[in-house]
Amino acid sequence: NAGVMQNPRHLVRRRGQEARLRCSPMKGHSHVYWYRQLPEEGLKFMVYLQKENIIDESGMPKERFSAEFPKEGPSILRIQQVVRGDSAAYFCASSPPYLPGGNGYTFGSGTRLTVV
Amino acid sequence: AQSVTQLGSHVSVSEGALVLLRCNYSSSVPPYLFWYVQYPNQGLQLLLKYTSAATLVKGINGFEAEFKKSETSFHLTKPSAHMSDAAEYFCAVSLIQGAQKLVFGQGTRLTINP
Repeated sequence: NAGVMQNPRHLVRRRGQEARLRCSPMKGHSHVYWYRQLPEEGLKFMVYLQKENIIDESGMPKERFSAEFPKEGPSILRIQQVVRGDSAAYFCASSPPYLPGGNGYTFGSGTRLTVV
Repeated sequence: AQSVTQLGSHVSVSEGALVLLRCNYSSSVPPYLFWYVQYPNQGLQLLLKYTSAATLVKGINGFEAEFKKSETSFHLTKPSAHMSDAAEYFCAVSLIQGAQKLVFGQGTRLTINP
């Protein structure tokens, strides 16, 4: 039973390029969450998605960032026109649909984005 | 609004000594509380969670935490530190109902001295 799979593990982009981060949830999980960890900081919530639906995007920057979780395939976090400040570790987590909010969820190993 | 404060960004203890990592929270409703551990270049692994059952919660790797409502605290302890405990530890809080997002503290880096 594979865990939450994120790829790539490391991603280097030049300023102005686009970054696409992928997350495949655990089998049976239909809820996906994206968090960002800036250097020397804790994780900050970005967005919460179910299949084909964004539930809560209160932590997403207003510009350049978007997320989707299509009916088929992984969830994608897309960052357009990256800047150096986007350099961070981006973590995805997943949970099944029937768990209440307090049960915690399973994190992937993260994608470490470096903008040069 | 919920928030989490972890006192001490770095904690250093000797191998075999008591580990105490502090976490205080603020929440307008009874919270769920979590401790996660992050090893270098890895994701977060759930150590333990409090979900309004027993106030003393036992987790993996010999860790435990006690929920103290009067002190709004959820400190993490381990009686005897092991070298393999060296990692970053994060305390997090979520609402019992509603959105499932977690609010994390800034983390505490635990170093174990031989």
